Amino acid sequence: NAGVTQTPKFQVLKTGQSMTLQCAQDMNHNSMYWYRQDPGMGLRLIYYSASEGTTDKGEVPNGYNVSRLNKREFSLRLESAAPSQTSVYFCASSSIQGVGYTFGSGTRLTVV
Amino acid sequence: SQQGEEDPQALSIQEGENATMNCSYKTSINNLQWYRQNSGRGLVHLILIRSNEREKHSGRLRVTLDTSKKSSSLLITASRAADTASYFCATDGNTGNQFYFGTGTSLTVIP
Repeated sequence: NAGVTQTPKFQVLKTGQSMTLQCAQDMNHNSMYWYRQDPGMGLRLIYYSASEGTTDKGEVPNGYNVSRLNKREFSLRLESAAPSQTSVYFCASSSIQGVGYTFGSGTRLTVV
Repeated sequence: SQQGEEDPQALSIQEGENATMNCSYKTSINNLQWYRQNSGRGLVHLILIRSNEREKHSGRLRVTLDTSKKSSSLLITASRAADTASYFCATDGNTGNQFYFGTGTSLTVIP
């Protein structure tokens, strides 16, 4: 049982480049989330998807887009990367809203 | 922001001692959760406490919630070196739609 799988684990981008972070869960969870973690800032919610076919903005959505491709997959896209987007990105899922999340192992992104 | 604030930011104790960390939050909540994060890893869910509960236990973990003070505490009893990690509280406000995380307490347990 893999849980939540994120790819890639590490990525270096140049300013202005685009990329998509992939997330897939095999637990049949309805809700999925993208967070970023910066030193001293804790985790901040970027976007979430309460169920297949829906997405909503979190605390820090600017510069990002998401796609809930199907029940399993929730991708995060950076259209034009900026150094301020250097961070560790975590995907999470939950069976229903309001219960414990299962987190992936993270993607460490550096924008130079 | 509905983000919780953990206190202390860092805590260092000897193996076998108890560790207590606190979380304060700003708005009313439905649920509060505690998570552990080992260095370089994802977060692991430890325990969830609902707003109508005052205390919950799970193994060596004890969580209390005081909604009148908008605060929670996590107690780890008989700590082990393997408990060394960062601990985060997360609150859902009244929406229940998503959780907002605090900045964490870094716990070091010295063997």
